[in-house]
Amino acid sequence: QVQLQESGPGLVKPSQTLSLTCSVSGGSISSGVYYWSWIRQHPEKGLEWLGFIYYSGSTHYNPSLKSRGTISIDTPKNQFSLRLTSVTAADTAVYYCARGRVVVAATGQGYGMDVWGQGTTVTVSS
Amino acid sequence: DIQMTQSPSALSASVGDRVTISCRASQSITSYLNWYQQKPGKAPKLLIYAASNLQSGVPSRFSGSGSGTDFTLTISSLQPEDFATYYCQQTYSTPQTFGQGTKLEIK
Repeated sequence: QVQLQESGPGLVKPSQTLSLTCSVSGGSISSGVYYWSWIRQHPEKGLEWLGFIYYSGSTHYNPSLKSRGTISIDTPKNQFSLRLTSVTAADTAVYYCARGRVVVAATGQGYGMDVWGQGTTVTVSS
Repeated sequence: DIQMTQSPSALSASVGDRVTISCRASQSITSYLNWYQQKPGKAPKLLIYAASNLQSGVPSRFSGSGSGTDFTLTISSLQPEDFATYYCQQTYSTPQTFGQGTKLEIK
C-alpha cells in the first residue's frame, strides 16, 4: 500500500530556510485522484494545515504562512517538498505529509487525508 | 477562514460507554467534514470522511453524522484502544481547518 516518509533537518537556525521532502512509495504521485499536503503540530497543540499540491503543480496555501511557504512536486522522483523561509521559534513543530482525495480540484474541495507520514520533528534554535 | 469548534475539549469515559463528540463549523461546509484519531507520538488516523463515511479498516463502532454546520462523532461501545485525541477537519474550502481536539480519557 501507499506509504509516505518525511525527511529533512531536525534543527534549523532562526531566519534560515526549512526544507522538507516527502517520499511516496507504493503508488504514483501523478494520480489526479489525490492532493498532497503538509500539516504541522506544535508541541502539545492541535493540527495546522499548511497547504497542498496537485500532480499538476497547482497549489493551495494557508495564509498564516504569510507567503513564506512553497510546496513543490517532483513527479519523476515521486516526491513533494515544503520550503519555509525566515523561520522563527514559532515554526518549531512536528511536520507531517499526507495524502487526501480530490473532489473538486478548481475549488480545493476534497475528502480527508487517508495516508500520513510518521512525522518529523523540526526545532528552530540557534 | 472557517472556524471549527469541538466540544467537549476533554471527556472521561469507561470501557463499554457510548460517547459523542460534537463539532461545529462557523459557516456551512455541507458534508466536507472529516474525523481523525491521534494517539501520543503518532500521526493522525482518518476515521470518517464526508461526515458519515467510514474509512476502510475502521471498526464499525465509529460513526459520523451531520451536515451544514453541526456534526457528531459517535463511538458506540468504547474499547481500551479508543482512548486518544479526536479532531474534526473541514475540507470545504481552503485553508483547511481543524477543531482544537477532544481528549478522551479513561474514567
